Amino acid sequence: DVKVTQSSRYLVKRTGEKVFLECVQDMDHENMFWYRQDPGLGLRLIYFSYDVKMKEKGDIPEGYSVSREKKERFSLILESASTNQTSMYLCASSSPLVAGSYNEQFFGPGTRLTVL
Amino acid sequence: SQQGEEDPQALSIQEGENATMNCSYKTSINNLQWYRQNSGRGLVHLILIRSNEREKHSGRLRVTLDTSKKSSSLLITASRAADTASYFCATESNFGNEKLTFGTGTRLTIIP
Repeated sequence: DVKVTQSSRYLVKRTGEKVFLECVQDMDHENMFWYRQDPGLGLRLIYFSYDVKMKEKGDIPEGYSVSREKKERFSLILESASTNQTSMYLCASSSPLVAGSYNEQFFGPGTRLTVL
Repeated sequence: SQQGEEDPQALSIQEGENATMNCSYKTSINNLQWYRQNSGRGLVHLILIRSNEREKHSGRLRVTLDTSKKSSSLLITASRAADTASYFCATESNFGNEKLTFGTGTRLTIIP
């Protein structure tokens, strides 16, 4: 059974703290994604990665960075957490597109982060 | 910016009735996918329809796609209490960059 896991379901941090959110997938997927989900805004892409040590900015990268040192692990880093980063964070992975395939994404359960 | 917009934002129906949700998008796409999210959980892929398809079925799910109107609908027939969830459409553009753009979602509540 395919699986994407996230390090924490719930996390409470203080303003200014450095926060690490970890995501691990066991499907040998090349592609990994970090989204944040807020009421009325749906899912917004923060960063994604096509391969180890590769990263691309999504729609809302400001205030975030990422690290992909191993294929199965994709970390989201909040360098200095702020209250407007309180949100649900979702990690996803997918296989690269090949002829005739499509880009189904597999999601982790999410981390609900509260920044006080 | 969000490509997809779901309509309605929230929907409550009686168990056994059919539920219809709509999605509009803005740019050309390779395919459109629907995902389901139970409260406080991650998203699960339900069904995909390619840009050259007009209708697709999977169990109690029926998806239509109108590329001329840039819109899609998801129909869940004979709804069950367990169908209570949020439903999102996601579009894969034809730029080949393997990203999905998600809509804002429809919150579906099935009343037993």
